[in-house]
Amino acid sequence: AQSVAQPEDQVNVAEGNPLTVKCTYSVSGNPYLFWYVQYPNRGLQFLLKYITGDNLVKGSYGFEAEFNKSQTSFHLKKPSALVSDSALYFCAIYSSASKIIFGSGTRLSIRP
Amino acid sequence: EAGVTQSPTHLIKTRGQQVTLRCSPISGHTSVYWYQQALGLGLQFLLWYDEGEERNRGNFPPRFSGRQFPNYSSELNVNALELEDSALYLCATSLRGIHEQYFGPGTRLTVT
Repeated sequence: AQSVAQPEDQVNVAEGNPLTVKCTYSVSGNPYLFWYVQYPNRGLQFLLKYITGDNLVKGSYGFEAEFNKSQTSFHLKKPSALVSDSALYFCAIYSSASKIIFGSGTRLSIRP
Repeated sequence: EAGVTQSPTHLIKTRGQQVTLRCSPISGHTSVYWYQQALGLGLQFLLWYDEGEERNRGNFPPRFSGRQFPNYSSELNVNALELEDSALYLCATSLRGIHEQYFGPGTRLTVT
């Protein structure tokens, strides 16, 4: 079965520290992976995507993600967290059955 | 450039009634996706339309249906409303193919 998992419901990081939001997936064929962010009282926004090519993908707001085929992971990272990064983050995949599957979401909280 | 628009913003319906939600895509986008986001839960994929045709649907009963018009706007219809249909319904649009999605602000449906 094709799926995406975000194992942490919440991640707490101090401002200025690096952050990682984890995502693992199970999909047949080539994976197409995405990260989206949902800020409080605002809509979902696209952050970055991996379709093919370089395993390290750079996106909006200084975020990046690394595609790791052997570990079937696509973790979201940022070298230095900002309080304004506090939001709900979703990992998503396109499956070979032409379905879009979103993870359950991880709430990122950055403390000053 | 205008983003994805959805109407209405809020809706209150009684159990057993029917509701129609509307979505207008970003200019040039031909794919429309519908999602249900229940309170405290992640995004559940409902429907995917592309070029006027239904590409796929999620694990929802047939009383959830929709269509896409020649101008690529879309409607989501929910018949025989149940209390558990109360949720935020999000529409997203994209270019044809596997591309990032752009989300509308959503329609908050409350079923009493």
